[in-house]
Amino acid sequence: NAGVTQTPKFQVLKTGQSMTLQCAQDMNHEYMSWYRQDPGMGLRLIHYSVGAGITDQGEVPNGYNVSRSTTEDFPLRLLSAAPSQTSVYFCASGAGIGVGVYGYTFGSGTRLTVV
Amino acid sequence: RKEVEQDPGPFNVPEGATVAFNCTYSNSASQSFFWYRQDCRKEPKLLMSVYSSGNEDGRFTAQLNRASQYISLLIRDSKLSDSATYLCVVNLNDMRFGAGTRLTVKP
Repeated sequence: NAGVTQTPKFQVLKTGQSMTLQCAQDMNHEYMSWYRQDPGMGLRLIHYSVGAGITDQGEVPNGYNVSRSTTEDFPLRLLSAAPSQTSVYFCASGAGIGVGVYGYTFGSGTRLTVV
Repeated sequence: RKEVEQDPGPFNVPEGATVAFNCTYSNSASQSFFWYRQDCRKEPKLLMSVYSSGNEDGRFTAQLNRASQYISLLIRDSKLSDSATYLCVVNLNDMRFGAGTRLTVKP
């Protein structure tokens, strides 16, 4: 059981480039989300999805797009990379918002550097 | 004001010590609460959920005070392996994380 799989693990981009961070889960979870983690800031929610075809913005959505065409996949697209987007990105999935007992499972993260 | 605030730490304690972490949240409508553990350069992992009645899991005890909007985590008999950053998490419509409290347990 793979859980939540993120690719790539590391990425260096030049300012202005675009790319997609991949996230896939095999637990049939409805809820998926993307966070970024910066030193001293904790994890901040970028976008989330409560099911296939449904997405919503989190705290820091600017510069990022998401889509959810299947239950399993939730890719994050950087439209035009900026140095301020240098961060560690985590994808998470859970059985549903508010289904608190089980918490959420995180992928191992993508370390992105924009130069 | 941040939605979830934690003691910034770091906490440096000897093995066997008892250590307590505090967390406050701003939205009184928050529905569920958790403590996560994050090791250096790793993903966060669920440590325990927090219930109004308080709950215990071995050496770890979590408490929730809804009236004061306050969550705590108590670790008894600290082990070297407890060294990590502890994240307070509050769920309303989505999961909001505190910045974390770093714990180092020393021999």
